[in-house]
Amino acid sequence: GENVEQHPSTLSVQEGDSAVIKCTYSDSASNYFPWYKQELGKRPQLIIDIRSNVGEKKDQRIAVTLNKTAKHFSLHITETQPEDSAVYFCAASYDKVIFGPGTSLSVIP
Amino acid sequence: KAGVTQTPRYLIKTRGQQVTLSCSPISGHRSVSWYQQTPGQGLQFLFEYFSETQRNKGNFPGRFSGRQFSNSRSEMNVSTLELGDSALYLCASSPKTGGFSGNTIYFGEGSWLTVV
Repeated sequence: GENVEQHPSTLSVQEGDSAVIKCTYSDSASNYFPWYKQELGKRPQLIIDIRSNVGEKKDQRIAVTLNKTAKHFSLHITETQPEDSAVYFCAASYDKVIFGPGTSLSVIP
Repeated sequence: KAGVTQTPRYLIKTRGQQVTLSCSPISGHRSVSWYQQTPGQGLQFLFEYFSETQRNKGNFPGRFSGRQFSNSRSEMNVSTLELGDSALYLCASSPKTGGFSGNTIYFGEGSWLTVV
């Protein structure tokens, strides 16, 4: 069945450094790749997404890249801040949205 | 516009009992999906409903079921509860069905189920 892998499972960075989270997906039909951020005790919220006809998308300090051939996509956060600390989920979607297992990001002040 | 609303927020049940969780989607959204979230297991897809029809189903036993009403509100039911069913159950709504490109799903706050 469809599967999304996500690495690393935990990530700790110093404030101001960059953070990178990588995902791979198995269903080559996937054409939409959203990223969600879930703060402790709160609902997952969409932070950025990318469609299969685009290789890269940027929104302020957040960027996503997609390599459809390799079935890889990544989230890049630059100039990290303590409020970026959360669990991040990648997802791949064709006829249903399948999530990766999540990455717990800690930004150390 | 009101967000996705889930009730109840917290509940405790005993093994063997059954539970029904409710979800009201964002106004105008016709698709409702359900996910189970447990520590270490991430967000596991349960099923999706669109226009009162189940469109997709995840790999969960038949004890997990759901339905959608004509006003797009959805319920999920878990029968014969087991300890391992303890989890956060998240409902998500979207304007269109499933994973159409760019079809963002919006989550509710979830229902915390504890089975003792």
